[in-house]
Amino acid sequence: SQQGEEDPQALSIQEGENATMNCSYKTSINNLQWYRQNSGRGLVHLILIRSNEREKHSGRLRVTLDTSKKSSSLLITASRAADTASYFCATDALYGNNRLAFGKGNQVVVIP
Amino acid sequence: EPEVTQTPSHQVTQMGQEVILRCVPISNHLYFYWYRQILGQKVEFLVSFYNNEISEKSEIFDDQFSVERPDGSNFTLKIRSTKLEDSAMYFCASSARTIASYNEQFFGPGTRLTVL
Repeated sequence: SQQGEEDPQALSIQEGENATMNCSYKTSINNLQWYRQNSGRGLVHLILIRSNEREKHSGRLRVTLDTSKKSSSLLITASRAADTASYFCATDALYGNNRLAFGKGNQVVVIP
Repeated sequence: EPEVTQTPSHQVTQMGQEVILRCVPISNHLYFYWYRQILGQKVEFLVSFYNNEISEKSEIFDDQFSVERPDGSNFTLKIRSTKLEDSAMYFCASSARTIASYNEQFFGPGTRLTVL
């Protein structure tokens, strides 16, 4: 079964608004990581949240993790046109030998 | 800031040919990975490598694939006889896997492989 399944949303928001995207997974994890991918480009590591953490902040990013619901959310506050990208969550399974399992990604378009 | 680099950025090859994709992981990292992303699909794990041997490989990583760390800096993925379905973006990643880093994996920019 696949881990790291985002809600398959395509978000289109105005610059300055907040963007929220969700991710659910199926098995126990060590941590969950969020990545950004600009069209056809590489994966940029955004933030890692450990299984014993509930919330983490990094600049304009806020990540939450609910291990009881096996879900995570990524909030981007005060969005900018440069935030336009696909966002992926990836889970590091508890007994998974460190392979990351990626979700399908959320496409976010920030309109200037 | 240190980063993972990959060469070439784009590789076009004929079906049945061998290709070697190259990666230079972050210098103090000890764990190395290859992933691939077929156009429009999820990023998929291929293989992990530590201490000069494969730690884990996925069902995708069959006998056509091999990895090597030929020297202290490079990490390569070889596909012996490419198939059309090998066309994808191939990403190399590395991690330090210290207690502090918790296996943050940092990815390179990818090599787009096109098999004709």
